[in-house]
Amino acid sequence: DAKTTQPNSMESNEEEPVHLPCNHSTISGTDYIHWYRQLPSQGPEYVIHGLTSNVNNRMASLAIAEDRKSSTLILHRATLRDAAVYYCISNTGNQFYFGTGTSLTVIP
Amino acid sequence: SQTIHQWPATLVQPVGSPLSLECTVEGTSNPNLYWYRQAAGRGLQLLFYSVGIGQISSEVPQNLSASRPQDRQFILSSKKLLLSDSGFYLCAWSGSGGPSPLHFGNGTRLTVT
Repeated sequence: DAKTTQPNSMESNEEEPVHLPCNHSTISGTDYIHWYRQLPSQGPEYVIHGLTSNVNNRMASLAIAEDRKSSTLILHRATLRDAAVYYCISNTGNQFYFGTGTSLTVIP
Repeated sequence: SQTIHQWPATLVQPVGSPLSLECTVEGTSNPNLYWYRQAAGRGLQLLFYSVGIGQISSEVPQNLSASRPQDRQFILSSKKLLLSDSGFYLCAWSGSGGPSPLHFGNGTRLTVT
């Protein structure tokens, strides 16, 4: 399973876009890229996933580099409710391995 | 719609006591099931996963075990708890076909005293 690396923490001002980076330089051709977020004392929540093409949903956008060695989760307008730990995972098969994620602070 | 139930929400157990945490999924069949543990301030550690009844894959050797007696039931057990077993235990499910994402329960906070 490919290892992912993310910054430990990031800050954003409320109502501004947030770009959360993830490196997965050893990703294989069949590994999907998933993003989850976790609020304190709650289970992680699915955000988005993709393979090669950029993906959009109601929560966020996922931009995947052409070589697939990195990706960026984009929150278009950060709100205070977006403050959480964001995990990037590369997945193939049945195993999902989480790293330590990026703790996002949203400043009012 | 699919739902996942996990209980209890909190648990305080003495060292050496047994443990049983239960997780059930509704609204789907033949899900992949997972147990994760999260120590305070840390990431999630995959403990066990199951792709079918009676099929358990263990990721980390320890004094915990898992069982899947029914298609949508996943149980985490221990015969004798250690202090190091304290943590936030999360059950999750994913669909059995394709790149299905994980869906987590609300977790059980276990404190071993």
